[in-house]
Amino acid sequence: RKEVEQDPGPFNVPEGATVAFNCTYSNSASQSFFWYRQDCRKEPKLLMSVYSSGNEDGRFTAQLNRASQYISLLIRDSKLSDSATYLCVVNVGNTPLVFGKGTRLSVIA
Amino acid sequence: SQTIHQWPATLVQPVGSPLSLECTVEGTSNPNLYWYRQAAGRGLQLLFYSVGIGQISSEVPQNLSASRPQDRQFILSSKKLLLSDSGFYLCAWNTGVYTEAFFGQGTRLTVV
Repeated sequence: RKEVEQDPGPFNVPEGATVAFNCTYSNSASQSFFWYRQDCRKEPKLLMSVYSSGNEDGRFTAQLNRASQYISLLIRDSKLSDSATYLCVVNVGNTPLVFGKGTRLSVIA
Repeated sequence: SQTIHQWPATLVQPVGSPLSLECTVEGTSNPNLYWYRQAAGRGLQLLFYSVGIGQISSEVPQNLSASRPQDRQFILSSKKLLLSDSGFYLCAWNTGVYTEAFFGQGTRLTVV
């Protein structure tokens, strides 16, 4: 089983839609969780950290389910500018961050 | 504030030629430093990481090597490039293994 798994997509959604991505991780000892955004041919950029109690930043909501070992990202009121690849990132013990392969989102006018 | 510089942005090299990519971080001390590679349409693969000067951990066997001659400088090298070394090379840093990482702008390497 891979350490971090994501649905590769692509998710094609109309503007204004709500879209959710899930990510599962294999190591129950994982302690840190993040969502990154990567635009085409650019470096990944931190979108938000994921806290145990869940957290929100504007139209973006991240949640963590430790029992089921998954994290989620919800994007409300999708904008064209949200089109990108979203990477799930997990710290697996005392080792460098592990990146999922990403989920591609295309928001269509 | 902290910044990370990575260069060059693009590079086209012939098979068998050497490689040297450099990354420097400003505004922080004793960062953890990382080299990742992303092949076209693929995920990020961790190549090397370093928690201090002269300390390098390698994640995958390959014809690449890394060095950290100074606290905030990380260099990726190869003596002889292969076609399969083509990809998008990203340098990153963080302050601890549990914290978020920040990336340089990347080097797009094409081996021909």
